[in-house]
Amino acid sequence: AQSVSQHNHHVILSEAASLELGCNYSYGGTVNLFWYVQYPGQHLQLLLKYFSGDPLVKGIKGFEAEFIKSKFSFNLRKPSVQWSDTAEYFCAVFSSGSARQLTFGSGTQLTVLP
Amino acid sequence: DTGVSQDPRHKITKRGQNVTFRCDPISEHNRLYWYRQTLGQGPEFLTYFQNEAQLEKSRLLSDRFSAERPKGSFSTLEIQRTEQGDSAMYLCASSPRLAGIYEQYFGPGTRLTVT
Repeated sequence: AQSVSQHNHHVILSEAASLELGCNYSYGGTVNLFWYVQYPGQHLQLLLKYFSGDPLVKGIKGFEAEFIKSKFSFNLRKPSVQWSDTAEYFCAVFSSGSARQLTFGSGTQLTVLP
Repeated sequence: DTGVSQDPRHKITKRGQNVTFRCDPISEHNRLYWYRQTLGQGPEFLTYFQNEAQLEKSRLLSDRFSAERPKGSFSTLEIQRTEQGDSAMYLCASSPRLAGIYEQYFGPGTRLTVT
């Protein structure tokens, strides 16, 4: 069964600091990878996605993620965070070879201090 | 642009009661998913519909849980004889019929509290 690990449960940064959130998955086949964000009081929103091609994908609000197949990783990055980035971030995997479902990590709560 | 909607947003019920939640997906999305999310965890898959057919069910979906999508549009999730362990956020998501497009769009969820 596929699984997703997000090792950072809570990250606290000051504004303008750089961000990297780790995501590792366990599935050897073809995967589609996603980062979702949940702002306080709002529902899950798609931040960015990787299906194929260039392993460096760019999403909304200046976020990007790099797919490294050899490391089974899909880390999320942002060069300079803002207070408004305070949210919970979820990494998710969709593998077409198994059930048609997203498997989510446990999430990382990001707090950005003004 | 209307997204996925869910009703009710909050439900408080006593243990042993039955509850039903409704999900309206984005128009023309033929795939619909139900997930459950508890505090400190990511969403966990419950079940999946393609049009009106329920194609996948998780082991998490006990016999007390049933989901329907009778006309391939809205869906309902019913929990019979609720237990305190059923307290969670129940999320619905939909995705379009386009081949190779697997991104899912989530609704606001229904928060269930079983007392």
